[in-house]
Amino acid sequence: QAVVTQEPSLTVSPGGTVTLTCGSSTGAVTSDHYPYWYQQKPGQAPRTLIYDTTNSHSWTPARFSGSLLGGKAALTLSGAQPEDEADYYCLLSYNVVSWVFGGGTKLTVL
Amino acid sequence: QVRLQESGPGLVKPSETLSLTCTISGGSINPYFWSWSRQPPGKGLEWIGYVFYTGSTSYNPSLNSRATISLHRSDNRFSLNLNSVTAADTAVYYCVRSGGSGGAYWGQGTLVTVSS
Repeated sequence: QAVVTQEPSLTVSPGGTVTLTCGSSTGAVTSDHYPYWYQQKPGQAPRTLIYDTTNSHSWTPARFSGSLLGGKAALTLSGAQPEDEADYYCLLSYNVVSWVFGGGTKLTVL
Repeated sequence: QVRLQESGPGLVKPSETLSLTCTISGGSINPYFWSWSRQPPGKGLEWIGYVFYTGSTSYNPSLNSRATISLHRSDNRFSLNLNSVTAADTAVYYCVRSGGSGGAYWGQGTLVTVSS
């Protein structure tokens, strides 16, 4: 089974910009992996921010965007707010039949 | 607005079968993936498997064929059975709708503890 890798932790200053990445042990991440990004705050269920690489939900703050960057899926937060402090998970699809979560990134806004 | 609600026993004995239901409201079963994921206390998310609206299924191989996910169209729900549970199966279990270019919607999750 593929292994999906994320930065264990990142720190961003309020108002700053940070990019979280999602890599695959099988090679470059492409749009065919249909990358999803989820935000999870303590005690809450995950909430979808980005799906199919770049698409946002209606509730996704405009400061979050998804892309492919250097062979990885990427989630960029521009203009970080204190409420963005959370765990972030990516999910990749492998030929549709196998889905794998990354280990998650703990984002601190400080 | 799509809403998903998990239900089932919060406590299951070792070696028994964990059974959960996800009730779907506010949306159609077609043309989506209906999946289960879980999160052990203090750990990350793990994908368990899905049932596609066509009825086809796929599962995480790490579960060694212990999981079965079924779609129940007549009453707008889908279910998870996980047999031969151990303490390692203690987790918050989430049901999720995804695909169909519609993003992903999560239930609020339900904690299942495996203990005698």
